[in-house]
Amino acid sequence: ELKVEQNPLFLSMQEGKNYTIYCNYSTTSDRLYWYRQDPGKSLESLFVLLSNGAVKQEGRLMASLDTKARLSTLHITAAVHDLSATYFCAVAPSAGGTSYGKLTFGQGTILTVHP
Amino acid sequence: SQTIHQWPATLVQPVGSPLSLECTVEGTSNPNLYWYRQAAGRGLQLLFYSVGIGQISSEVPQNLSASRPQDRQFILSSKKLLLSDSGFYLCAWSVWGRGYGYTFGSGTRLTVV
Repeated sequence: ELKVEQNPLFLSMQEGKNYTIYCNYSTTSDRLYWYRQDPGKSLESLFVLLSNGAVKQEGRLMASLDTKARLSTLHITAAVHDLSATYFCAVAPSAGGTSYGKLTFGQGTILTVHP
Repeated sequence: SQTIHQWPATLVQPVGSPLSLECTVEGTSNPNLYWYRQAAGRGLQLLFYSVGIGQISSEVPQNLSASRPQDRQFILSSKKLLLSDSGFYLCAWSVWGRGYGYTFGSGTRLTVV
């Protein structure tokens, strides 16, 4: 069974600071996704990482994937209040088997950015 | 472009009443369709997924059911709601092989009273 673990689960940051959210998963995968969820809202896709060593950046967020370590990171640079949200990583197992095509989500990281 | 519609946005239902939530996708054909539930406290649980008309796979035992009467329509139902069915229900679609992951609908917040 594929397991996905995020840490930290809660993150309180000051504006202007940097921090990293980690996403570990338990089985072979080359597809990892990051989503953002604002309170009471649906999930918004942030990044799609499809290969080992993939790095994507959008504004103050940068995501990377290390398939050998089964680890993805979401790095926040110079945080601003607008980044306050819950961030989820999600993993799809490699092709084949009955789990193919189904995403398993991490628990989510609640990020709060303070002035 | 592809869009996903989900309704209603909010629903308050008494225990024991039936449920029907609908999700439709536009702009793509033969999508994979999914129902997720998010209970208070964040975690997303996959309830059902479908790879084609009439093909439904259930991930967890429960008093919910799903149907896919048309290629781009996915329905979540219950004959008798329980208090534990309260939560945020999200429909999602994907066309696997393109690596796009899931695109989520706007969600339905269900409160069973």
